[in-house]
Amino acid sequence: DAGITQSPRYKITETGRQVTLMCHQTWSHSYMFWYRQDLGHGLRLIYYSAAADITDKGEVPDGYVVSRSKTENFPLTLESATRSQTSVYFCASIAAWGSSNLHFGNGTRLTVT
Amino acid sequence: SQQGEEDPQALSIQEGENATMNCSYKTSINNLQWYRQNSGRGLVHLILIRSNEREKHSGRLRVTLDTSKKSSSLLITASRAADTASYFCATALTSGTYKYIFGTGTRLKVLA
Repeated sequence: DAGITQSPRYKITETGRQVTLMCHQTWSHSYMFWYRQDLGHGLRLIYYSAAADITDKGEVPDGYVVSRSKTENFPLTLESATRSQTSVYFCASIAAWGSSNLHFGNGTRLTVT
Repeated sequence: SQQGEEDPQALSIQEGENATMNCSYKTSINNLQWYRQNSGRGLVHLILIRSNEREKHSGRLRVTLDTSKKSSSLLITASRAADTASYFCATALTSGTYKYIFGTGTRLKVLA
């Protein structure tokens, strides 16, 4: 399913570096989300966006920045990566017209050394 | 803190048996959703149950919802090896929004 794609699939970076994870969806879904998944914590919501230029914090927003200048893109930036941000990051979207189902990308595995 | 908490954390059963997993949540909800995650992949939506529904079926899946207890259960009947995955419930952090958050999940292993 190529509707929502994340890049890169794997990323290794060093502590203190800035890194941006990309998310692109082809459905024109209104809502987009960033989650992180860690063992023992399940998925935790970092940020979400209801539309272009509208974003809101989730459960664990500290250390992350998002933007949404276009409906189809929702990049997640770690301005100064820390080891605690080593995780698998998932992007998701919801159509919001007649459906509340989240559609997920395949994730980005980020390692901060 | 987690909105939804799944129980048990892990479950191992034989092929053909039924698997039941439970989810508890904290706030009022409009709906509750269940998702499956195969190893290393993104989550896939299974079923949604609205707050005014008590039970819903989809193929071999049966979901119940008890809003008075703030809990839901997912039953997979006649399980197959292909059902081996992690299962998560999701509810909105704030009722009436799409701010969905997840529990820690149940890891199901179906032995052939």
